Amino acid sequence: GAVVSQHPSWVICKSGTSVKIECRSLDFQATTMFWYRQFPKQSLMLMATSNEGSKATYEQGVEKDKFLINHASLTLSTLTVTSAHPEDSSFYICSAPKGTGGTPQHFGDGTRLSIL
Amino acid sequence: EDQVTQSPEALRLQEGESSSLNCSYTVSGLRGLFWYRQDPGKGPEFLFTLYSAGEEKEKERLKATLTKKESFLHITAPKPEDSATYLCAVQAGDTGANSKLTFGKGITLSVRP
Repeated sequence: GAVVSQHPSWVICKSGTSVKIECRSLDFQATTMFWYRQFPKQSLMLMATSNEGSKATYEQGVEKDKFLINHASLTLSTLTVTSAHPEDSSFYICSAPKGTGGTPQHFGDGTRLSIL
Repeated sequence: EDQVTQSPEALRLQEGESSSLNCSYTVSGLRGLFWYRQDPGKGPEFLFTLYSAGEEKEKERLKATLTKKESFLHITAPKPEDSATYLCAVQAGDTGANSKLTFGKGITLSVRP
């Protein structure tokens, strides 16, 4: 069964809206979670590393004020896309490492975000 | 910078026709190489982790192997339900157990009945 739950699976909203995506680890604790973005027929691109109880680490070129990450508990990380615009439309996926030494990473089922 | 290259980009097979998917990588100290399967509109599903050259892992019709420069995912007698995109990713060994994965672009496999 699934070990990482992501919600919602699909969002359509107007330009300028802020959208929050949740990522939960099921029956295990995750001090670190990862947020990826995937464009059609492209691979997963890491956006940021979410750290429980501390600031997220963003990859080069990712605007931290645009993509707010909160990791307030050991089982929940949230990604908020602020003032979303059509160019933010994409497939957002989170992951959490589970297992000895923190591997492998298990992924949620993704959130399809469409900004009109 | 860690790099992962997968080939071919797409592969079409007849049911029962065995083949191999390639993943070439460069990484500063390999902690692990991972294979995932991704179905359309879904997140990647974990298949295998390989840690050192010479290691092999098997699961049903899939077998993953690893050398110092590349990994292969061998598919034996594939079925239409094996159709998916197969992703390869590496994790560097110098940045801790919770370090990020670097993904290849994936190989889209189609198996015709």
